[in-house]
Amino acid sequence: SAVISQKPSRDICQRGTSLTIQCQVDSQVTMMFWYRQQPGQSLTLIATANQGSEATYESGFVIDKFPISRPNLTFSTLTVSNMSPEDSSIYLCSVEWPGLSGNTIYFGEGSWLTVV
Amino acid sequence: AQSVAQPEDQVNVAEGNPLTVKCTYSVSGNPYLFWYVQYPNRGLQFLLKYITGDNLVKGSYGFEAEFNKSQTSFHLKKPSALVSDSALYFCAGYNFNKFYFGSGTKLNVKP
Repeated sequence: SAVISQKPSRDICQRGTSLTIQCQVDSQVTMMFWYRQQPGQSLTLIATANQGSEATYESGFVIDKFPISRPNLTFSTLTVSNMSPEDSSIYLCSVEWPGLSGNTIYFGEGSWLTVV
Repeated sequence: AQSVAQPEDQVNVAEGNPLTVKCTYSVSGNPYLFWYVQYPNRGLQFLLKYITGDNLVKGSYGFEAEFNKSQTSFHLKKPSALVSDSALYFCAGYNFNKFYFGSGTKLNVKP
């Protein structure tokens, strides 16, 4: 399985500021994903980030608000721009890990953002 | 539309009793099905998955899940619950390069 590290693990942010979350994987992976989990809710896919191409955003998420970088096969960043209290969530990085019995998605520990 | 449903927001069980957390899916083709657990203040941890073959899948921490194609279900089970199993459990389906997550079920195991 993959080991996924996210930074920061937690932060309290001021309204109107931006924060960049980093995701580091211990092995090269093709597909990386960013999810949001609002308090008490399930996971919502923000975007898929493949190395060498622009991120693909899901409905309701736009690049200006959530710019993503994927400079290599082990690293990605998600920026939450111009934050408002509604952006208070857990942001989760995940990777699709190939296996003999099919692919599995593994998650980082999450970045818990509170916007005040 | 593709979806995964967890009909129970919360499941309460006494320690030592068997537990079941329900999941049904509406994912076309032959989907992969997963269970994840989220402990308080943690990310999601992979528990087990079904791809094909034996309908009973064994996973981490003594959990298992039974795939039932006719009922389109993939319920998570454990013969004897522990207080430390208390957490949020997510069922997920995967098909055509996309994951579909259920809404989550909070499991409370009481001593």
